[in-house]
Amino acid sequence: GAVVSQHPSRVICKSGTSVKIECRSLDFQATTMFWYRQFPKQSLMLMATSNEGSKATYEQGVEKDKFLINHASLTLSTLTVTSAHPEDSSFYICSARSWRADTQYFGPGTRLTVL
Amino acid sequence: AQKVTQAQTEISVVEKEDVTLDCVYETRDTTYYLFWYKQPPSGELVFLIRRNSFDEQNEISGRYSWNFQKSTSSFNFTITASQVVDSAVYFCALSEAKKLGSSNTGKLIFGQGTTLQVKP
Repeated sequence: GAVVSQHPSRVICKSGTSVKIECRSLDFQATTMFWYRQFPKQSLMLMATSNEGSKATYEQGVEKDKFLINHASLTLSTLTVTSAHPEDSSFYICSARSWRADTQYFGPGTRLTVL
Repeated sequence: AQKVTQAQTEISVVEKEDVTLDCVYETRDTTYYLFWYKQPPSGELVFLIRRNSFDEQNEISGRYSWNFQKSTSSFNFTITASQVVDSAVYFCALSEAKKLGSSNTGKLIFGQGTTLQVKP
């Protein structure tokens, strides 16, 4: 099956710093990648959709200047949490969808803790 | 608007019992996909199944089976002879199917999830 990796798996940072999370599709080309956020005991909340080579589309209520998304290649998308604050602490999950498939494959997630 | 409802927040069963997880969806699309994902304590979402709206045949995969009924907009998931390793959060999800020339991105709409606890 399709494999999606995320790095780092866990990060702890100080308030005010920026954190970059990478999402890679390892064995297929992902024309579309998605970024989700999940709070404890809650469902996944879609933050944004990114297509290779174009600007990301953000969901309502998600600050695009706060959560910078770059999808520079068909196998890599990055999410940068800028000037992180404790309320940004969450589990961030990416998924990738190939151009020929209608199935999203998820990365293992990144647990962000902002002190 | 699209919506997925998983009315069961938590289910607890004893090992070897059968358990059914309910999923009801709403959509105006004529073509769509339904999914089930498993999220174990590690956090990674594991893809279980994708069902096209045109295919109402039930599916069985080992101890897992899925019942898709378009008439009631339901896509229920049954685990037979449950095991402790089945303990996880299970999510049902819906997406619009890709159409030629469409700008549809295949965005997934998730239900709230059902936490299944299988006790030994």
